[in-house]
Amino acid sequence: SQQGEEDPQALSIQEGENATMNCSYKTSINNLQWYRQNSGRGLVHLILIRSNEREKHSGRLRVTLDTSKKSSSLLITASRAADTASYFCATDAGETSGSRLTFGEGTQLTVNP
Amino acid sequence: EAQVTQNPRYLITVTGKKLTVTCSQNMNHEYMSWYRQDPGLGLRQIYYSMNVEVTDKGDVPEGYKVSRKEKRNFPLILESPSPNQTSLYFCATAAYNEQFFGPGTRLTVL
Repeated sequence: SQQGEEDPQALSIQEGENATMNCSYKTSINNLQWYRQNSGRGLVHLILIRSNEREKHSGRLRVTLDTSKKSSSLLITASRAADTASYFCATDAGETSGSRLTFGEGTQLTVNP
Repeated sequence: EAQVTQNPRYLITVTGKKLTVTCSQNMNHEYMSWYRQDPGLGLRQIYYSMNVEVTDKGDVPEGYKVSRKEKRNFPLILESPSPNQTSLYFCATAAYNEQFFGPGTRLTVL
């Protein structure tokens, strides 16, 4: 079964609006990462949050992590049409940090111009 | 330029015909991994390698083999491909917990 599960599966918003995607997972983790994938292409790393962190920012991205609820959220502020992509959370729960990433099924974000 | 390359990018083959998908990285990373991506299932790890001559099974290793004879290369071998191995395959390398993905190989097994 998938360690990370994103919610919603699909999200459609207007340019300038904020987009929030959620991720839930089942086991203890070393860190949680968010990736972006443009259609049919490789994934690109966006941001990593460690298990002892609660919030992290990178440009227009804000990630939160609640280890008690085993959940994370990715907020993209002031969205642009170029943000249209699939977004995946990935949990690192391996014995050796970085050895095993488990990906969710992704959220398809569409930003309408 | 730091990159992960995969070849071929597209392949259509028939059941039982052995094939190899190559993966090469120029970042001198010790860790490399193979994933497959299928609709509704997300990315699933096939095999990974922590270093030269060290490989481990991921979540879906059945029907696949890998080798890691040198740091930069990590080929994925399908000895006898079957239609259920039709998928989009990604090679990745990693350092400091961040993974760098190749462009993908779209494989169709008829």
